[in-house]
Amino acid sequence: DTEVTQTPKHLVMGMTNKKSLKCEQHMGHRAMYWYKQKAKKPPELMFVYSYEKLSINESVPSRFSPECPNSSLLNLHLHALQPEDSALYLCASSRDTGNEQFFGPGTRLTVL
Amino acid sequence: GQQLNQSPQSMFIQEGEDVSMNCTSSSIFNTWLWYKQDPGEGPVLLIALYKAGELTSNGRLTAQFGITRKDSFLNISASIPSDVGIYFCAENAGGTSYGKLTFGQGTILTVHP
Repeated sequence: DTEVTQTPKHLVMGMTNKKSLKCEQHMGHRAMYWYKQKAKKPPELMFVYSYEKLSINESVPSRFSPECPNSSLLNLHLHALQPEDSALYLCASSRDTGNEQFFGPGTRLTVL
Repeated sequence: GQQLNQSPQSMFIQEGEDVSMNCTSSSIFNTWLWYKQDPGEGPVLLIALYKAGELTSNGRLTAQFGITRKDSFLNISASIPSDVGIYFCAENAGGTSYGKLTFGQGTILTVHP
């Protein structure tokens, strides 16, 4: 298995909802990442997990809460989001933080 | 913070033509990555470069890590319609920011049949 999977593919939520994005990889990678991407812009890093520990938080608002339950799974919990949070959310993984990163297909999030 | 200057911003070419794009940085880096992204999909890694001067090919793609370690280029030969997409260069910061990818602004490639 050489891919990163993300669910759901699309998500529409209201500003008072609580939802979660899920990411999974079975490549034995020990680093996992969340990125946010607006249309026609490059991805922007949100969080880095290394060996299941949060190593980088790019000053992301607390309404985004990451979780790494084990070395294969990465979640992003969403609560009280704003319409401007609508974007493509990408998960990535790499063997270690110094190695090339492989991206999942993304979750298209719309906040109403 | 670190910035990558990627050019050109967009290219409109005929099928069969060769394409060249490049990225420059004000800082020295140890890694250059090139990704392609199709609409609504995640970026796909095309080529990874780890040594200054390194020249690597992947089919019709060729990329080089500049000898000064501050630049990289990506060439696509004999373009085909499926080459359409956005191409990003990226570098991996070191030190305490290891794992943080910084991306160029992207090159939007359009190929006319």
